[in-house]
Amino acid sequence: QVQLVQSGAEVKKPGASVKVSCKASGYTFDIYAMHWVRQAPGQRLEWMGWINGGDGHTKYSQKFQDRVTITRDTSASTAYMELSSLRSEDTAVYYCARSYSHDYWGQGTLVTVSS
Amino acid sequence: QSALTQPPSVSGSPGQSVTISCTGTSSDVGTYNRVSWYQQPPGTAPKLMIYDISDRPSGVPDRFSGSKSGNTASLTISGLQAEDEADYYCSSYTTSSTVVFGGGTKLTVL
Repeated sequence: QVQLVQSGAEVKKPGASVKVSCKASGYTFDIYAMHWVRQAPGQRLEWMGWINGGDGHTKYSQKFQDRVTITRDTSASTAYMELSSLRSEDTAVYYCARSYSHDYWGQGTLVTVSS
Repeated sequence: QSALTQPPSVSGSPGQSVTISCTGTSSDVGTYNRVSWYQQPPGTAPKLMIYDISDRPSGVPDRFSGSKSGNTASLTISGLQAEDEADYYCSSYTTSSTVVFGGGTKLTVL
């Protein structure tokens, strides 16, 4: 069965960077794109970007274009999302989700930004 | 890219039907059939309920159905059950090869 397992919760100081991982299993990793979505406390889902599992092509939301980097390691069936220059407003649960339809989701990773 | 427009809340009694709308533009909902709907109970990850306007993943009850007209997509839940109470989000692929979500709708089963 398809599973996306994310890395654990993080606490970061303002200005720092965070890198969240998403390990996929149960399907051929490089056939599907991986998307990243975040949800601040009590707020809506917010799409951040995606990476093509095969050729590594990326596309980012304009809002995060300057601060986010999505990569993947096909040998480890793992996607990564790194967000830099963190501020308090980046406190959120970060999800990975497979394909444009987001048919499978990771369990979420809480990133807390606090001084 | 602005968020797709959803009503903040809808409600219905058990057994009734409710419809949640999702309005976008000709750059997203109006151009593509890649519109999805997600159910999110409190404290859990979203779950895909409808994809490609009206297709249901395996295991999703046929009480859930989707449609689209112009720039507006809709999710209809018939035969409401208490377990349907959750937040619902729509999303659409866009002409910029990005994805945009709706603002979310809280469904209350009375």
